[in-house]
Amino acid sequence: DAKTTQPPSMDCAEGRAANLPCNHSTISGNEYVYWYRQIHSQGPQYIIHGLKNNETNEMASLIITEDRKSSTLILPHATLRDTAVYYCIVRGETSGSRLTFGEGTQLTVNP
Amino acid sequence: SQTIHQWPATLVQPVGSPLSLECTVEGTSNPNLYWYRQAAGRGLQLLFYSVGIGQISSEVPQNLSASRPQDRQFILSSKKLLLSDSGFYLCAWSVRGGLVETQYFGPGTRLLVL
Repeated sequence: DAKTTQPPSMDCAEGRAANLPCNHSTISGNEYVYWYRQIHSQGPQYIIHGLKNNETNEMASLIITEDRKSSTLILPHATLRDTAVYYCIVRGETSGSRLTFGEGTQLTVNP
Repeated sequence: SQTIHQWPATLVQPVGSPLSLECTVEGTSNPNLYWYRQAAGRGLQLLFYSVGIGQISSEVPQNLSASRPQDRQFILSSKKLLLSDSGFYLCAWSVRGGLVETQYFGPGTRLLVL
């Protein structure tokens, strides 16, 4: 699996957009970019995934650069309940069953 | 919609005692099932996964075992717990098939071995 790099922490004001970056410069053509988050003491929550095109769902938007070497998760209107560790994961058919979580980004949404 | 349940939510057990953690999934059939462990402040480690009843694959050799007696039930067991077994145990499921399968996690069981 391609390795991902994320900033260890970020802050965001409540109601503003939170933009979480992820670098995955060694990503291969058939690998997807997945985002999960983990709120303290809870199981990881799936947010979104994408391959090449930008994706949007009810939780977030995923912007993938044209060369696919980096991506950004956007929470359009962050709330206090979005405070969590956000994980960017690159996964392809050679990953097997394993989801490899790195260190992630601790996002703190401030009132 | 699909839901995944784990119990108990928390557990405190003495060293050497047995363990049984249960995970059940509702709203889907023939899921792939997974057990992960998360040590304090660390990432997730895949312990076992199952693609069907009675089919278990182990990722890490240890004193834990897993069983899948029914299609949507996954059990994690140990005959004798070690201190190092403490952690946050997470069950996950995915829809079988497709190039890449999205995994959905349960609420977890926090185990403390004393």
